[in-house]
Amino acid sequence: SQQGEEDPQALSIQEGENATMNCSYKTSINNLQWYRQNSGRGLVHLILIRSNEREKHSGRLRVTLDTSKKSSSLLITASRAADTASYFCATAPGLTQGGSEKLVFGKGTKLTVNP
Amino acid sequence: EAQVTQNPRYLITVTGKKLTVTCSQNMNHEYMSWYRQDPGLGLRQIYYSMNVEVTDKGDVPEGYKVSRKEKRNFPLILESPSPNQTSLYFCASSSLAGGSYEQYFGPGTRLTVT
Repeated sequence: SQQGEEDPQALSIQEGENATMNCSYKTSINNLQWYRQNSGRGLVHLILIRSNEREKHSGRLRVTLDTSKKSSSLLITASRAADTASYFCATAPGLTQGGSEKLVFGKGTKLTVNP
Repeated sequence: EAQVTQNPRYLITVTGKKLTVTCSQNMNHEYMSWYRQDPGLGLRQIYYSMNVEVTDKGDVPEGYKVSRKEKRNFPLILESPSPNQTSLYFCASSSLAGGSYEQYFGPGTRLTVT
């Protein structure tokens, strides 16, 4: 069952610009995570935000979570060509729905940062 | 180095020939999971395991088997592979301590069934 849906599906920007990706989900969550995937390789965890948090920062990454709207955004500031990758949100359902072990991934946003 | 390893990385096989994809992690993680990734469908969970001898179905378990006899290993078994199982497969592991659930992924196994 697909829970998170990223928007846009693809995003192309110039180096130095900010990139914003959005994720919407349908049911209550324990936490929401963002992952990055370089072409054909394994996913790498970027940041986790819990359901009782509204904003979190890690380096050039800023994640927000609005549980009332069931949405999250990932902002990458001052983007670099090396940020070119696909970005996925993943939701861990709330405890009443089976627990956080069933992490559900969206289909991803493909980000291209042009030098 | 903390890592999740998968073998083989690439596999081409024929319909019906049983195969096993191995997954091993060296982080003493309780949780392990298998996903498949297909264009336009994202990652879908096949099976997961909360600890040794504890496994459960994910969203797309049909045609797959798993076992968890040791904490570090979580092999994925295709008893009779079919072309619709051609996909990119990822194994992942996570610690359940502290409630973080951050998953560590292996490098992937690209399987082609002809």
